[in-house]
Amino acid sequence: EVRLVESGGGLVHPGGSLRLSCEASGFTVATNYMSWVRQPPGKGLEWVSIVYPDGNTYYKDSVKGRFIISRDRSENTLYLQMSGLRGEDTALYYCAGDTVANNADYWGQGTLVTVSS
Amino acid sequence: EVVMTQSPLSLSVTLGQPASISCRSSQSLVHRDGNTFLTWFHQRPGQSPRRLIYQVSYRDSGVPDRFTGSGSGTYFTLKISRVEADDVGIYYCMQGTYWPTFGGGTRVEI
Repeated sequence: EVRLVESGGGLVHPGGSLRLSCEASGFTVATNYMSWVRQPPGKGLEWVSIVYPDGNTYYKDSVKGRFIISRDRSENTLYLQMSGLRGEDTALYYCAGDTVANNADYWGQGTLVTVSS
Repeated sequence: EVVMTQSPLSLSVTLGQPASISCRSSQSLVHRDGNTFLTWFHQRPGQSPRRLIYQVSYRDSGVPDRFTGSGSGTYFTLKISRVEADDVGIYYCMQGTYWPTFGGGTRVEI
């Protein structure tokens, strides 16, 4: 059974930083396509970032230069380092994985990030 | 960015009756490899999204055959042949041919 468990969310001031983690079991982070997808409260879904098995990374335009996606092979964990946080980054952040690019077969339960002064 | 437009925004359905949701993209979703990367997700209240359909019409494992995806190019449809109580929630279409983008969602209620 595949499990993705996110953690690291919380309340942060504008301009602050936060690192999200997604611990995977039953699914290998390093050899699959792993993504972060977010959902602002009461709103729809937005694809934030994806890392390919070859290590290439891609980002939504509005987070480029502020967010960094990475993974730890030994811990089988996906990360999202977020800096320069803005109010519009407030959302439930989901970790998602798939065997193909730009899709999401497996989802975590999400971790809430709130950016507010 | 490819814009995905869903209709209707909300749908009130009767148990056992059919339902249909449309999704239109601002440009063709046919990839240079010939595949069309249009996906449907279902999100129940308070839960994570669950994928139902990928590449327009392929049902994910465990998805009832009451759910059918169809379409091509820029126009796609998700049909539920007989709505059950468990089908309530929000349905999203998503394209993965380019940078992934989602439709705004269609809320289904009984």
